[in-house]
Amino acid sequence: DTEVTQTPKHLVMGMTNKKSLKCEQHMGHRAMYWYKQKAKKPPELMFVYSYEKLSINESVPSRFSPECPNSSLLNLHLHALQPEDSALYLCASSHGLAQETQYFGPGTRLLVL
Amino acid sequence: GEDVEQSLFLSVREGDSSVINCTYTDSSSTYLYWYKQEPGAGLQLLTYIFSNMDMKQDQRLTVLLNKKDKHLSLRIADTQTGDSAIYFCAESAILTGGGNKLTFGTGTQLKVEL
Repeated sequence: DTEVTQTPKHLVMGMTNKKSLKCEQHMGHRAMYWYKQKAKKPPELMFVYSYEKLSINESVPSRFSPECPNSSLLNLHLHALQPEDSALYLCASSHGLAQETQYFGPGTRLLVL
Repeated sequence: GEDVEQSLFLSVREGDSSVINCTYTDSSSTYLYWYKQEPGAGLQLLTYIFSNMDMKQDQRLTVLLNKKDKHLSLRIADTQTGDSAIYFCAESAILTGGGNKLTFGTGTQLKVEL
């Protein structure tokens, strides 16, 4: 099983809303990732969690707040987003050891009005 | 910094072979990956190659790696309409805190025509 699930599939929010994206994997992976992907562009890394600790923040604005409640779950809390934050948000996970193949979820398509 | 480069677009006829090329930047990458993305979907891992290999074959897929030139290619034999998608190569850098950072290529849109 190499499945990473993400909810919701689609999200529309206003600039004053607070919402959360959720990601889950049951492969026993200890590294989890958030990516942002704009149309026709490659994914861009936002955050890396390793063993439930934030190890990489790629200078992401504070209106994006990641959380890793346990080794299977990864959340991305959204607050006061801008229209330019509209994108596909992808979650991925990897083993956390030497062979670091990342497995991606289907993504959440976010529209900020 | 330098980008991982791919040609933007490739069109082939159904049944022909497709070759998608990638020029990467990090010679210390241990693994190099190919991902497929269909419209509105996430990234599907297709295959990967370890940096000490020159070639890897997996059913219809053949990956060639030229480390000297930092060139990676993906050949799809007997291309089908279901292969129409965007294909991303990615180089990998291990993170000291665990996990790795993937740097993706610009993506190649493959269109398969009947």
